[in-house]
Amino acid sequence: AQSVTQLDSQVPVFEEAPVELRCNYSSSVSVYLFWYVQYPNQGLQLLLKYLSGSTLVKGINGFEAEFNKSQTSFHLRKPSVHISDTAEYFCAVSATNNDMRFGAGTRLTVKP
Amino acid sequence: GAGVSQSPRYKVAKRGQDVALRCDPISGHVSLFWYQQALGQGPEFLTYFQNEAQLDKSGLPSDRFFAERPEGSVSTLKIQRTQQEDSAVYLCASGGRAYGYTFGSGTRLTVV
Repeated sequence: AQSVTQLDSQVPVFEEAPVELRCNYSSSVSVYLFWYVQYPNQGLQLLLKYLSGSTLVKGINGFEAEFNKSQTSFHLRKPSVHISDTAEYFCAVSATNNDMRFGAGTRLTVKP
Repeated sequence: GAGVSQSPRYKVAKRGQDVALRCDPISGHVSLFWYQQALGQGPEFLTYFQNEAQLDKSGLPSDRFFAERPEGSVSTLKIQRTQQEDSAVYLCASGGRAYGYTFGSGTRLTVV
């Protein structure tokens, strides 16, 4: 079965600084990879997804992620964060049996 | 509908009470998932339906948990004899791997 590890439980950064949220996965088959964002008291919103093709994926709100098969990673990046990016971010993996498993989440806190 | 709708939004149950949580997926979505999200944790997989067939229920924590989707659209997650450890947000998602899964806002269950 596939699994996801998010290496940082909390990431504090200052406004307009770059940020990287790390995600590693394990699977014996090819996978689809996702990043979701969760604002307080809300459901999960899809930021971006990797299905195949280009390893650099661009998503909403200026976020992007890079799929690295050799390192089994799918790190999320943003060159300049805003206060409004403060939220919980979840990496998820889906294998060919059409289910999805989540990491434990990374709380991004953007400080003024 | 335009999104995944879950009801009720909040539920307080006395320990030992039975509860039923409803999920109305996006019209036409074949796949439907239930997740349990404890406070400060990532969503944990509970069960997966493809149309009315429950293809994976490996995540259901005990035989007190039961899910159904009799007509392949609306799904109900039932928890019998609720315990305090059942307190969590229950998330429903529909969709597919190729275009990401759409989540509802969840039902926050508090067992007192």
